[in-house]
Amino acid sequence: EAQVTQNPRYLITVTGKKLTVTCSQNMNHEYMSWYRQDPGLGLRQIYYSMNVEVTDKGDVPEGYKVSRKEKRNFPLILESPSPNQTSLYFCASSFDRVTEAFFGQGTRLTVV
Amino acid sequence: DQQVKQNSPSLSVQEGRISILNCDYTNSMFDYFLWYKKYPAEGPTFLISISSIKDKNEDGRFTVFLNKSAKHLSLHIVPSQPGDSAVYFCAALDSNYQLIWGAGTKLIIKP
Repeated sequence: EAQVTQNPRYLITVTGKKLTVTCSQNMNHEYMSWYRQDPGLGLRQIYYSMNVEVTDKGDVPEGYKVSRKEKRNFPLILESPSPNQTSLYFCASSFDRVTEAFFGQGTRLTVV
Repeated sequence: DQQVKQNSPSLSVQEGRISILNCDYTNSMFDYFLWYKKYPAEGPTFLISISSIKDKNEDGRFTVFLNKSAKHLSLHIVPSQPGDSAVYFCAALDSNYQLIWGAGTKLIIKP
């Protein structure tokens, strides 16, 4: 089954404690991206990757890092989480930047 | 300032009737638009798209209309079914091939 898998689904952490949210896709997609969804704002892109070892900033990259060492995986790293990063995060993949994206189920992160 | 606006946070429609979800955009350079549907505790799923060279695209019960002069698009669902209850996001592709999303409209289909 074609899917994008994110882990964990829910996470509560404390300010400053490094964390990683994993994302994996099994569709051999070139393009992957991370979004955050906040009330009243829709989805905002954090980072994207057009291929292995190619990553770039989206609209709201501050406080986040990503890596793309393999085609299927695109982890999101918060080196020092802060409360304003409390949000719902989605990973997505697609063949390219234009075609429809497949989304993971989301990770609800709370930073206290 | 939001470039893609969905001004109705929610919409309630009787089952079997037409649902019309609206989306306005400010950037006339946007030339490709998508609608996504999202159920609670799930990620968005692609529904339908339209290129600016068209003014209508149809897929079963779903039709998207684009009015470029008004910078407005709408999604019509006919007939509405209970399983259509979800949040609908409108998104536009900008010149950097990034998707700009609206805030979403929650559609409630009443039995």
